Amino acid sequence: KQEVTQIPAALSVPEGENLVLNCSFTDSAIYNLQWFRQDPGKGLTSLLLIQSSQREQTSGRLNASLDKSSGRSTLYIAASQPGDSATYLCAVSGNTPLVFGKGTRLSVIA
Amino acid sequence: DVKVTQSSRYLVKRTGEKVFLECVQDMDHENMFWYRQDPGLGLRLIYFSYDVKMKEKGDIPEGYSVSREKKERFSLILESASTNQTSMYLCASSFKGPDNEQFFGPGTRLTVL
Repeated sequence: KQEVTQIPAALSVPEGENLVLNCSFTDSAIYNLQWFRQDPGKGLTSLLLIQSSQREQTSGRLNASLDKSSGRSTLYIAASQPGDSATYLCAVSGNTPLVFGKGTRLSVIA
Repeated sequence: DVKVTQSSRYLVKRTGEKVFLECVQDMDHENMFWYRQDPGLGLRLIYFSYDVKMKEKGDIPEGYSVSREKKERFSLILESASTNQTSMYLCASSFKGPDNEQFFGPGTRLTVL
């Protein structure tokens, strides 16, 4: 059964710092990996989708990479801002619907 | 832009009541999903549907049922609400196939007293 792990569970950084969030999964037979952002009490906003044949995707200050063979993905956030404070979740799609990690709660301190 | 809407942001119900949570999407998506999210447990899949009148059990279907009479609408039903069903409920949709992006609604915070 697919398991998705996100480390660390929480992260606090000063404004302007570049940071990396990690996601690992146990079964490399995936179709894609999706990164989401969730603000407190709200739904999930899709940030990036990486298909299994791709190595990375970029959107603005965000860059997500995928190493399917090792079961890892990273989300890189450049020049972090207080508005980036949120919980970031990764999820993988395989023979079952999306399986989610428990998220990394990010705080960017001004 | 894809829009997924949920009927209520906040809902308070009493134990034993029948509860309906509605989800509507406007992008002609074939797939629709219901999740619940709890602290420490993350998102867990309750039910999903790949087409009208189709439904599949997710990881935690006990105590829930669903209805998909129209393509754009997916309803989650709590036949007899219990306090352990107090949670955040999230609906999502996507195009057909397992490799398409999922889009989420704003969530319904349900409290069962």
